[in-house]
Amino acid sequence: NAGVTQTPKFRVLKTGQSMTLLCAQDMNHEYMYWYRQDPGMGLRLIHYSVGEGTTAKGEVPDGYNVSRLKKQNFLLGLESAAPSQTSVYFCASSSWGGSSYEQYFGPGTRLTVT
Amino acid sequence: DAKTTQPTSMDCAEGRAANLPCNHSTISGNEYVYWYRQIHSQGPQYIIHGLKNNETNEMASLIITEDRKSSTLILPHATLRDTAVYYCIVYFSNTGNQFYFGTGTSLTVIP
Repeated sequence: NAGVTQTPKFRVLKTGQSMTLLCAQDMNHEYMYWYRQDPGMGLRLIHYSVGEGTTAKGEVPDGYNVSRLKKQNFLLGLESAAPSQTSVYFCASSSWGGSSYEQYFGPGTRLTVT
Repeated sequence: DAKTTQPTSMDCAEGRAANLPCNHSTISGNEYVYWYRQIHSQGPQYIIHGLKNNETNEMASLIITEDRKSSTLILPHATLRDTAVYYCIVYFSNTGNQFYFGTGTSLTVIP
């Protein structure tokens, strides 16, 4: 049981390049999330998904796109990377749990845009 | 919207109880209080949550005031491994709602 995994762990992009971050979970969770964390800051929600084939915008969605074609995977895309997108990206998943809403987080992807 | 207010940083002696406060004066009746922590840039880790009653698990205790406007996370015997950033979050589980992590409290456990 790997929990939540993220690929890649590190990446350096040049301004204008594109890339896709992959998040995978093996807990059969309905909900999945992408967050970013800038130095000294808390996590901010980029996009999330409440089920396969559905996505929604979070707090800071501009410059990112997402897809949830399979329940276990949640992809985050950067179409034209900008230095302002230099950050650590965390993926998380959770079940639809009523009063219990524990999110399980991946180890993060450290992205640098030069 | 900032739903919670936490001190920026705190210190605690190893072996002593760490009491981390959180103000959430605008909490609504159906919102839960959640606590997470983040150790050295790892992914955040769930600690505990509660609605009205005090809660305890193997990691910590959560004390929620009667008016629910504030809460305290208690680590009963802090160890060096408890050094982390602790986030207090208020949340109600319905479709479309979001977790706001804020900047949390940086707890340093001192030997």
